[in-house]
Amino acid sequence: NAGVMQNPRHLVRRRGQEARLRCSPMKGHSHVYWYRQLPEEGLKFMVYLQKENIIDESGMPKERFSAEFPKEGPSILRIQQVVRGDSAAYFCASFDRGNEKLFFGSGTQLSVL
Amino acid sequence: ILNVEQSPQSLHVQEGDSTNFTCSFPSSNFYALHWYRWETAKSPEALFVMTLNGDEKKKGRISATLNTKEGYSYLYIKGSQPEDSATYLCAFNKGGSEKLVFGKGTKLTVNP
Repeated sequence: NAGVMQNPRHLVRRRGQEARLRCSPMKGHSHVYWYRQLPEEGLKFMVYLQKENIIDESGMPKERFSAEFPKEGPSILRIQQVVRGDSAAYFCASFDRGNEKLFFGSGTQLSVL
Repeated sequence: ILNVEQSPQSLHVQEGDSTNFTCSFPSSNFYALHWYRWETAKSPEALFVMTLNGDEKKKGRISATLNTKEGYSYLYIKGSQPEDSATYLCAFNKGGSEKLVFGKGTKLTVNP
């Protein structure tokens, strides 16, 4: 039973480029959360998605950030025109509605040069 | 803005000591309180999900209590071992929202 898969583990981008972060939830889970961890900070909520539906995006910056979770394929967190302040670890977690626990991926460390 | 506060920020104990730390959350419109353990170089792992006032959960040497009326939860570790060293996170879920808000965590170091 594969866990939550995130890729890539490390992503380096130059300022102005686009970053795409992928998350495949655990088998049978149809809901995912995205969190961002800045240095010396905790996990900050970004967005909560169901397949083909954004349920809560109140933690997403208004510009340059978007997320999707298509019917087929992984959830994608997309950051356009990255800036140095976007450098952080981005974690995805799939949600088990049965026991209401989150199962986290290993994260993607984004570094913007 | 939902505030989830954890204290202390960090804690050093000796092997065999028992310890506890606190998570504070809004006492109104409560739905659930989660505890996670986050070991270095790994991903956070769920310990407990608690929904009822007065609830107590136990997993081995780790237990947790919940007071929704006053807005706090305690996590207890009995007879700490070096492998308990990790950051312990709590997360709050209010009623009517799917958003799970995390505290900054308590970093526990157990010295052999």
